[in-house]
Amino acid sequence: EVQLLESGGGLGLPGGSLRLSCAASGFTFSSYAMSWVRQAPGKGLEWVAAITGSGDSTPYADSVKGRFTISRDNSKNTLYLQMNSLRAEDTAIYYCAKVRGDGYPYFFDYWGQGTLVTVSS
Amino acid sequence: EIVMTQSPATLSVSPGERATLSCRASQSVSSNLAWYQQKPGQAPRLLIYTASTRATGIPARFSGSGSGTEFTLTISSLQSEDFAVYYCQQYNNWPLTFGGGTKVEIK
Repeated sequence: EVQLLESGGGLGLPGGSLRLSCAASGFTFSSYAMSWVRQAPGKGLEWVAAITGSGDSTPYADSVKGRFTISRDNSKNTLYLQMNSLRAEDTAIYYCAKVRGDGYPYFFDYWGQGTLVTVSS
Repeated sequence: EIVMTQSPATLSVSPGERATLSCRASQSVSSNLAWYQQKPGQAPRLLIYTASTRATGIPARFSGSGSGTEFTLTISSLQSEDFAVYYCQQYNNWPLTFGGGTKVEIK
């Protein structure tokens, strides 16, 4: 059974940093691309970033480019999102999502339950 | 960026009735479109990909159609567990983009 368990959310200061983690199990982690998708309170879904199975390709949404870094450790079956220069508009539930394959097509067949990030002073 | 527009924003339907949800892309996405269902307090769940292929375990009452810029998700006979928010997502171009969602509520 595929399981994705996010952690690391919480309160972050404007201009500060947070690091999210997503522990994966139930599939061969290194064989699949992964992604982060966020959802602001009461709003819709917004794609944030993706990473191929080997980590050699990492596209980002313009809203986070240069501030967030997606990475993975295939030896630990874990996906990460380093979030720097936090802004109030980064407040959202952050979902870890498994891509159907390793790269294109980028749709998401499994999702974690999400971790809430709140950016406020 | 491809803008995905879903309509209507809210759809009121009685149990057992048919629901038709629309998703329009600002430019062609071919058949590179997925649909997700999200219930309150839960993560999204994949329903449909490649515009019309049901994901594993999805009941046959869910069907998708369309290509290019116009897509439809049809729920043939609404069950109580189908009342939720539905999102479309294009994966033809970067950045990946989602529609704003259609809430299907009980009439």
